Amino acid sequence: KNEVEQSPQNLTAQEGEFITINCSYSVGISALHWLQQHPGGGIVSLFMLSSGKKKHGRLIATINIQEKHSSLHITASHPRDSAVYICAVSVNRDDKIIFGKGTRLHILP
Amino acid sequence: DGGITQSPKYLFRKEGQNVTLSCEQNLNHDAMYWYRQDPGQGLRLIYYSQIVNDFQKGDIAEGYSVSREKKESFPLTVTSAQKNPTAFYLCASSMYGGQLTLHFGNGTRLTVT
Repeated sequence: KNEVEQSPQNLTAQEGEFITINCSYSVGISALHWLQQHPGGGIVSLFMLSSGKKKHGRLIATINIQEKHSSLHITASHPRDSAVYICAVSVNRDDKIIFGKGTRLHILP
Repeated sequence: DGGITQSPKYLFRKEGQNVTLSCEQNLNHDAMYWYRQDPGQGLRLIYYSQIVNDFQKGDIAEGYSVSREKKESFPLTVTSAQKNPTAFYLCASSMYGGQLTLHFGNGTRLTVT
């Protein structure tokens, strides 16, 4: 079983829809990261969370440490949000980072 | 602007040849990392270095080698011993060495035929 699981694997939605991507993990963590990978391949860090909620523009990330679960929300989605969104966790015991397989998001105009 | 530069973006090699991927950063970060990305899989750590002239193996180091002679540079050599070298390779750097604030390059797509 993967230590970081994301769902859904693929998501297609219409422009303007509210998007939710989920991440569950099974290890003790010091932080959780949400990353965005564009079609060209480069990766950008969106959020780093250790508790609660963070917001940046139309993006919101939440984490529930007790349930070992995080969500990434996109409000008023736009075609330029189309990308792969990756959840990653910094593991307590050895500073290792474990990456999820990513969620491919496609927003239709 | 500070950042990480990987070159080239696309690289083609014949089986049996060694190939070196370049990674340069001007962020003054101490730690640098190499990851491999395959379709449908999460990023996997190949090698990392937290200080000049020192580096450690990651989860999939077999068939790869690295050097860290300068703080800014962390080249990765894919040797002929790597059984499945065709992949997308990403270089990253971090200020604190604990992978807590990762910055990524744009990647190099290597195709070996």
